[in-house]
Amino acid sequence: GAGVSQSPSNKVTEKGKDVELRCDPISGHTALYWYRQSLGQGLEFLIYFQGNSAPDKSGLPSDRFSAERTGGSVSTLTIQRTQQEDSAVYLCASSLPPGGGSQETQYFGPGTRLLVL
Amino acid sequence: AQSVTQLGSHVSVSEGALVLLRCNYSSSVPPYLFWYVQYPNQGLQLLLKYTSAATLVKGINGFEAEFKKSETSFHLTKPSAHMSDAAEYFCAVSGGGSNYKLTFGKGTLLTVNP
Repeated sequence: GAGVSQSPSNKVTEKGKDVELRCDPISGHTALYWYRQSLGQGLEFLIYFQGNSAPDKSGLPSDRFSAERTGGSVSTLTIQRTQQEDSAVYLCASSLPPGGGSQETQYFGPGTRLLVL
Repeated sequence: AQSVTQLGSHVSVSEGALVLLRCNYSSSVPPYLFWYVQYPNQGLQLLLKYTSAATLVKGINGFEAEFKKSETSFHLTKPSAHMSDAAEYFCAVSGGGSNYKLTFGKGTLLTVNP
């Protein structure tokens, strides 16, 4: 079946511009995660959505970062006024709902490679 | 709080040799542990996971890992390396249940020499 898809695969932008990154989770997966992979920081958790619950935004690095998930499916990560340090690969993952005594596997998309000039 | 340490940012082996990638974790709760593999320009693919069942976990592509609580380790092994195993490998930990966030190690780049 179809996996997690992300678009665009690559994005080059100028410092100060806003960017939007999209994630389509696996059908039926109610949990959705965003992570960032950068040379300096490795893989970092950004934000988590589960169903209609309030998202866990504890990993967002600044208020320039925001994310939404419409209709419990597609998610968009928005970075406002991009900075060069935002350059990284942004990975999306989805899973069945965590909990119930079992850690559900997170399935990752191919990522969006963001370069801020 | 949880953390993961992967010893060796780069491991090089010959084709057919044993692969050993080291991972030590720190967790305040019984951990769930994972190994993911990342091929160039691709996302992360799950190799195997430990979720408090058997301590020896078998994964895909002939990999396995053993959970050792006394050593806080979850090392990844494969008896015989193949050229196609060349990739970056990440160890990750979570607390399970509602503690769903994955905390990753820095990764180990595996090179397989012919």
